Amino acid sequence: EADIYQTPRYLVIGTGKKITLECSQTMGHDKMYWYQQDPGMELHLIHYSYGVNSTEKGDLSSESTVSRIRTEHFPLTLESARPSHTSQYLCASSVGNPTGDRETQYFGPGTRLLVL
Amino acid sequence: KQEVTQIPAALSVPEGENLVLNCSFTDSAIYNLQWFRQDPGKGLTSLLLIQSSQREQTSGRLNASLDKSSGRSTLYIAASQPGDSATYLCAVNSGNTPLVFGKGTRLSVIA
Repeated sequence: EADIYQTPRYLVIGTGKKITLECSQTMGHDKMYWYQQDPGMELHLIHYSYGVNSTEKGDLSSESTVSRIRTEHFPLTLESARPSHTSQYLCASSVGNPTGDRETQYFGPGTRLLVL
Repeated sequence: KQEVTQIPAALSVPEGENLVLNCSFTDSAIYNLQWFRQDPGKGLTSLLLIQSSQREQTSGRLNASLDKSSGRSTLYIAASQPGDSATYLCAVNSGNTPLVFGKGTRLSVIA
């Protein structure tokens, strides 16, 4: 069982609000990821980090930002929420082999966001 | 650019049947292939990871095979149960880059 946590699990918020989705893991993993997934649809990678002070944008253009100040923590921030941001956000982590070999990726339970 | 395709997109079977889910990838230069399960509204759970040097991995009623040269993997589920109903996703790792996921196969096992 992987120890990766996301808060809040559910969030309903009005347009224009700033929100931060929290993700933390206790496994000491170097690599962390944020995905966006609409109900019944495919996963889209929006941000990832391979270590402290290292962040990259994923395949899906996103208006969100991330930071990685501590190994265990990878928060995602939306400066001004819009209805188009309504989705499920999934955080994941993996151990961080230099070659990516034998890396099992573990997922958190997700945050379901509804922007009114 | 690596692309992962899963066929079929959805599958419905009666309880007790053995079934096979398919995954194909366009670039055979992979390090790992991973199968995940996702229940509705939940995160993903890792089922099996196959390294590029391996041909198959087994866990309980699940068996995943990998044919790297042809760019294919299969997930075999024996004696299916209603609790196996979920979406199954395949993902590949091509080095020190993020996993590339397929769109998944939605499985329904009917009691």
